[in-house]
Amino acid sequence: AQKITQTQPGMFVQEKEAVTLDCTYDTSDPSYGLFWYKQPSSGEMIFLIYQGSYDQQNATEGRYSLNFQKARKSANLVISASQLGDSAMYFCAMRSRSNDYKLSFGAGTTVTVRA
Amino acid sequence: GAVVSQHPSWVICKSGTSVKIECRSLDFQATTMFWYRQFPKQSLMLMATSNEGSKATYEQGVEKDKFLINHASLTLSTLTVTSAHPEDSSFYICSARPWDRVDTEAFFGQGTRLTVV
Repeated sequence: AQKITQTQPGMFVQEKEAVTLDCTYDTSDPSYGLFWYKQPSSGEMIFLIYQGSYDQQNATEGRYSLNFQKARKSANLVISASQLGDSAMYFCAMRSRSNDYKLSFGAGTTVTVRA
Repeated sequence: GAVVSQHPSWVICKSGTSVKIECRSLDFQATTMFWYRQFPKQSLMLMATSNEGSKATYEQGVEKDKFLINHASLTLSTLTVTSAHPEDSSFYICSARPWDRVDTEAFFGQGTRLTVV
C-alpha cells in the first residue's frame, strides 16, 4: 500500500523568503513518481514539479525545487523567493505501477505568504 | 500541457434531484479518467476510475449507485450524482491521463462545486 504524509497543516512565510514543505512517502515499489500540486482557493490543481524514483538529480522548475532523499523516503518541496500569489494549498502525491498509476495524495499544507 | 475541461464549475441543486458533471480531454485521448471528491481544507479522495468502454472501478466505500460514471468516448467521462442530498455537497474534480502516457502525471479539470439545498 502507498502512503503519503504531509505533517505541516499550515505555514506562514514572509514575502521573498524561501519555504520548505515536507513530504514523506511509503511504498514497496522500486519504481514510482512523486508530484507536487498547488491548489489555490479557486480549486484548480496546478502541477508544479515531478521527480522519478530513478532520477539521479533533484528536480527543479523555476522557483520550485524538490529535495529528494530516496533513502529517507522524503520529497520536500522548496519554494524560493515566495510571492503573495504562492498562497495556496500544496499537495504531495505519488503514483506507482502497483497502484495502477493512480495518484495518492497527502493531506496537504496550506501556505500563507505575508507581505 | 494537456487540457482537461470540467463543466459546470459550480452547481446548486435541490435535494432529491440528480446532477451531471462532465469531464472532457480537449487535446488528447484518455482511456482512463479519475474522479475525486474534496471537502474543505482536506485532501483529494479518489472516488472511482473511469475506463473508456467498460465499467468504472469504484474505491472502497463509494456507492456506485449513488455516483454513476459513464465513459462513453475517449474524450468524455461523466459523473452523475443521483438523488443528491446536502451531505453530497462537495468539490468534485476529475483528471485524465493520455492513453499513450500511462505513467505520466494526470491532468486536472477545473473542478465543480456542488451545493445541495
